Amino acid sequence: DTGVSQDPRHKITKRGQNVTFRCDPISEHNRLYWYRQTLGQGPEFLTYFQNEAQLEKSRLLSDRFSAERPKGSFSTLEIQRTEQGDSAMYLCASSPPTVTYEQYFGPGTRLTVT
Amino acid sequence: ELKVEQNPLFLSMQEGKNYTIYCNYSTTSDRLYWYRQDPGKSLESLFVLLSNGAVKQEGRLMASLDTKARLSTLHITAAVHDLSATYFCAVDNDMRFGAGTRLTVKP
Repeated sequence: DTGVSQDPRHKITKRGQNVTFRCDPISEHNRLYWYRQTLGQGPEFLTYFQNEAQLEKSRLLSDRFSAERPKGSFSTLEIQRTEQGDSAMYLCASSPPTVTYEQYFGPGTRLTVT
Repeated sequence: ELKVEQNPLFLSMQEGKNYTIYCNYSTTSDRLYWYRQDPGKSLESLFVLLSNGAVKQEGRLMASLDTKARLSTLHITAAVHDLSATYFCAVDNDMRFGAGTRLTVKP
């Protein structure tokens, strides 16, 4: 297993369109996290799953954002009716069921909304 | 509201010098993380600190945690150019990240 993978790596879309990103965690990692990062800022937490259950969702996350992890393996993040302010790097991370919950990050999906 | 503050935000230092990056957080936390990010890349985990007084070292980097002061430090010893990157701390309450310290090591 080579690590957390994300697809696509880059996405350019027009304002108002819907986009969906996929994250494949490291196998046997039960936790999966989504973050958003804009240039010059630290990652901003969006949501996380433990197995298939979505345990926490940021209050900053609007109703246009939804995430799923239907079988407790891969996850998808969908943004509906994209806005220019959604342009950012979307990062996925996974962590094993250990006391540290150390997170391993994927390469990210860079979204540009035109 | 939980706040995580790092300082300095920008650090330019010469090779061979020592320096410390500070991370203050406003509420109690079970875990404190340090990450490194190179330009255009994702985040790499450096350290996870779990308890008061915890100290971890890897190469020229050493991290420590004082839960009573709600303070973690990342100490750089005898800096080399390869350490140039942005360093983030994060606490596991809402996985809140600091703004990052952009480190540049000059020859």
